[in-house]
Amino acid sequence: ILNVEQSPQSLHVQEGDSTNFTCSFPSSNFYALHWYRWETAKSPEALFVMTLNGDEKKKGRISATLNTKEGYSYLYIKGSQPEDSATYLCAFYGGSQGNLIFGKGTKLSVKP
Amino acid sequence: NAGVTQTPKFRILKIGQSMTLQCTQDMNHNYMYWYRQDPGMGLKLIYYSVGAGITDKGEVPNGYNVSRSTTEDFPLRLELAAPSQTSVYFCASSTRGQGFTEAFFGQGTRLTVV
Repeated sequence: ILNVEQSPQSLHVQEGDSTNFTCSFPSSNFYALHWYRWETAKSPEALFVMTLNGDEKKKGRISATLNTKEGYSYLYIKGSQPEDSATYLCAFYGGSQGNLIFGKGTKLSVKP
Repeated sequence: NAGVTQTPKFRILKIGQSMTLQCTQDMNHNYMYWYRQDPGMGLKLIYYSVGAGITDKGEVPNGYNVSRSTTEDFPLRLELAAPSQTSVYFCASSTRGQGFTEAFFGQGTRLTVV
């Protein structure tokens, strides 16, 4: 059974803090790793789709790195703002299982 | 451009009742998906479709049916609702097969079976 683990489960930071969280996934048969941002009562929205080992992607204050050989990705948020409060989901796509495997998410709360 | 639209947003069903969750997208995406999310769990794929007239089972298809008569619409049917189907349901679509490109999600349907 393929497993995608996200840590921590939840995180509380102060406005202005930088933070990061981890997504661990199988290191074999890797095709892609997705990050989504999901605000309460809204639709999950894609942040990044990463496919290459060593890939680094950035969108504003949010960036992500990918290590397919060891099976992990980090999501970084620089200078967290209250509007960054959301659940961050990662999802692994490998060649064998036919569908995206989602982690349980990391819930970020940013206090003003 | 509305993206992916799901209806209803909330629904309470009694055990044994049936209902259809509607999903429509206006992005001309070939690929569409239904996921469910249970508390403390990751999204699980119920069914997916790679184009009009083609559907296939995902990870957790039991108790559900789908159809895809048009590119835009991908309804999910629950027959004989059971408490185990209490969940939040998300419809999504993408330009290419899941995994290769980002998925666009609807806002979700919160279903309670009592």
